[in-house]
Amino acid sequence: AQRVTQPEKLLSVFKGAPVELKCNYSYSGSPELFWYVQYSRQRLQLLLRHISRESIKGFTADLNKGETSFHLKKPFAQEEDSAMYYCALRDAGGTSYGKLTFGQGTILTVHP
Amino acid sequence: ETGVTQSPTHLIKTRGQQVTLRCSSQSGHNTVSWYQQALGQGPQFIFQYYREEENGRGNFPPRFSGLQFPNYSSELNVNALELDDSALYLCASSSGRNSYEQYFGPGTRLTVT
Repeated sequence: AQRVTQPEKLLSVFKGAPVELKCNYSYSGSPELFWYVQYSRQRLQLLLRHISRESIKGFTADLNKGETSFHLKKPFAQEEDSAMYYCALRDAGGTSYGKLTFGQGTILTVHP
Repeated sequence: ETGVTQSPTHLIKTRGQQVTLRCSSQSGHNTVSWYQQALGQGPQFIFQYYREEENGRGNFPPRFSGLQFPNYSSELNVNALELDDSALYLCASSSGRNSYEQYFGPGTRLTVT
């Protein structure tokens, strides 16, 4: 069974500080990992996926298969980064491509 | 481009009743997924519909059923409501069953009393 764990429910940092949101997963197949974000009063939306290996809004995430982790990082947090962040996994090699398994989410608050 | 819409926004039902939730997918999308999000939890996959057929199901009992229509809009039906069904129900559409990006609606908040 696939599982995604986000150990921190809440994370607070000050503006300009580095931030790292942790995500660990368990899955024996070929996982595809994502970070979704939900800003206040907005919908859940895709932030980035591990395959693209790009930086979005200054955030990056590297898939570490050895540690089964996909931590989200940003070197200098901004107040507008305050949001709920969800790590999600899908089975890239299975038949239910649409099934996303989400972690419990981390609320990031960036203080001025 | 029209985004994903869901109706109603909120509703309150009594235990044992039945409920139908509706979702209109984003223009050009033929795949709809439904998720249940309990308070303080991440969304949990219920099922996905692709071109009017169920294409994958999560760990939910048969009293959770769905439909997808020729215009790719969708319904989620829940029979014999239980208190634990109280949650935010999210619909997400994508441009294909293999598409990696899902576009979420605002959700329907269901309260079962």
